Parts: sequence; C-alpha cells; structure tokens
Amino acid sequence: GAGVSQSPRYKVAKRGQDVALRCDPISGHVSLFWYQQALGQGPEFLTYFQNEAQLDKSGLPSDRFFAERPEGSVSTLKIQRTQQEDSAVYLCASSLGGFGNQPQHFGDGTRLSIL
Amino acid sequence: GIQVEQSPPDLILQEGANSTLRCNFSDSVNNLQWFHQNPWGQLINLFYIPSGTKQNGRLSATTVATERYSLLYISSSQTTDSGVYFCAVRGKETSGSRLTFGEGTQLTVNP
Repeated sequence: GAGVSQSPRYKVAKRGQDVALRCDPISGHVSLFWYQQALGQGPEFLTYFQNEAQLDKSGLPSDRFFAERPEGSVSTLKIQRTQQEDSAVYLCASSLGGFGNQPQHFGDGTRLSIL
Repeated sequence: GIQVEQSPPDLILQEGANSTLRCNFSDSVNNLQWFHQNPWGQLINLFYIPSGTKQNGRLSATTVATERYSLLYISSSQTTDSGVYFCAVRGKETSGSRLTFGEGTQLTVNP
C-alpha cells in the first residue's frame, strides 16, 4: 500500500482481556518497528523486526507483550491480560533498509483504552 | 542511551509569525527525523536530516551533527501548523535501529 496501515484505529477492552493489534507496512520495507505513546509524551520503542526476525525486543514492558511478523510483512502486537497502564497509542513504523540510517514511516496508530 | 532535548516545550504564535524549534542530542547520530503530530494523532514525516539543510515550502531544517543539534524553522505560520513537533534520532552507538524521541514542542497558531 501507499503507507503504513494499522488496525483497528481504536480498541476498547476490559482489564484482563487479550488484544491484538495489526500493522501492514509499506510494501517492500525490510524493517518494522512498534512504539508506544502515552498521553502527552513522545513515542517509546517497543520492538524491531528485520524481515521475519525479531532483532530487538528490549522495549517490551513485560512478558504480557508479544509481537510477531511470521512472513516478513504484516506484524501483530499482542497484549495478554491487559492492565489499565497499557492504555496508550500503539504506533507501527517501517523503513526500507535494515541498517537504521533510513527514514521511518509511521502509521496512524491504534488507540487502546483499557477499562 | 542517547538523550534528546527539545525546546521550547510550548509555543504560541499568531498566524503569519515565524518560529524556530530546537533539538539537542547527546551523541553522534546516523538518523534524525522531524515529525509533526497533528491534533488527530497522525505522525507526519517532515524531514529526514541527519546532517545538512533541507527545505520544503514554508518549512526548513538544519542539522549540525558535529555540534549535536538540529533546528526546524517554520515561516509564515498557519493555524494548520498547530500540533506537536517531535525530533527523533538514532544514535550511531545504538544497537538495533530504534528511534529515540524528544518530549516534543507543542505549537499553537492562533488566527
């Protein structure tokens, strides 16, 4: 597609439920990133894929967070047993190369609210 | 890890005014991007500028990599320029390819 596509745009879940957020990167982009943006703050890194390999997951806040990109294109971020502090905007970005020296292009994000 | 500081944190302008936003970073970078986050939350790429100067319409940016800062210039501001402006960098010593964001500059342009 023309840009990074994320779905759903909004997600409301009850505390304790599992959620899955989808990211469809720009076609042909090797690198895919997930970021979390709390209200009033800048985005913070969660995890990074180069093709299907998850090369960096150091930003995932707990083992309740899990991400995958099984075929090197679409990625899913899953949050298990959601808690109120998981409420945030989750942003996905992709870039053409795999060396960190090319621009990242962001999707519109998924706004997650945990009740 | 690398630190990113943006100033000013808040800026209020009248339509037509010019402004300069600053981004300081604590280490050498091989990626620096400026973004505009509009009131709907969309993060729009403005510039990819690890060094040098670029211009796009009323916006321009300069990065002086040796002195570890970047400037974003907005001329003849319009109400649609309102939103949060973020600087984000990837340090040369950073493992992986993550971007580290500053706290942003909240810009309000009044008619």
